[in-house]
Amino acid sequence: SQQGEEDPQALSIQEGENATMNCSYKTSINNLQWYRQNSGRGLVHLILIRSNEREKHSGRLRVTLDTSKKSSSLLITASRAADTASYFCATWEGANNLFFGTGTRLTVIP
Amino acid sequence: DTAVSQTPKYLVTQMGNDKSIKCEQNLGHDTMYWYKQDSKKFLKIMFSYNNKELIINETVPNRFSPKSPDKAHLNLHINSLELGDSAVYFCASSLGPSGGYTFGSGTRLTVV
Repeated sequence: SQQGEEDPQALSIQEGENATMNCSYKTSINNLQWYRQNSGRGLVHLILIRSNEREKHSGRLRVTLDTSKKSSSLLITASRAADTASYFCATWEGANNLFFGTGTRLTVIP
Repeated sequence: DTAVSQTPKYLVTQMGNDKSIKCEQNLGHDTMYWYKQDSKKFLKIMFSYNNKELIINETVPNRFSPKSPDKAHLNLHINSLELGDSAVYFCASSLGPSGGYTFGSGTRLTVV
């Protein structure tokens, strides 16, 4: 299966704390992307990191990629209640579409 | 201005019926997709399509068929609906297959 796996499946933190989610995948990739899904809504693209990059930042988001371990992490700093959502990693392997992981459900408690 | 729009948002229908879900994007993207999200939130690719080729996930039953009247539309037609087809179906588009995807808000299909 090309599907990635996120860890943990669910994460609950206090507002202001940092949230870290991990993603592992199985095959070689060209890029890895992170998406957010609010309840009952579509997915929103957050950040894309290419296979030759090791770290990328976007606002309060920090993504790392370790291709030797086939893993990535998403760090959300200074979390807010509005960050409550499910977060998915997705990999592009040079084929025709993205393969999504199983998701991490993040709850930020005000 | 909605970038990727799907209709309807909710669809409740009886087993055996045939139904269609429409998807339109106004982003000028050249590739469109249909994903199925099950009750455990697992997203599974069903189809990807650009103006050159249609790629079908081999696990998708042939009761499902995408129809693209033009580059901005990729509709999903489902024949002989079954209970197991109940899920949320998402349309998405991208500029090329490797970039970030823009998703529609989903269609929640319930087969009774």
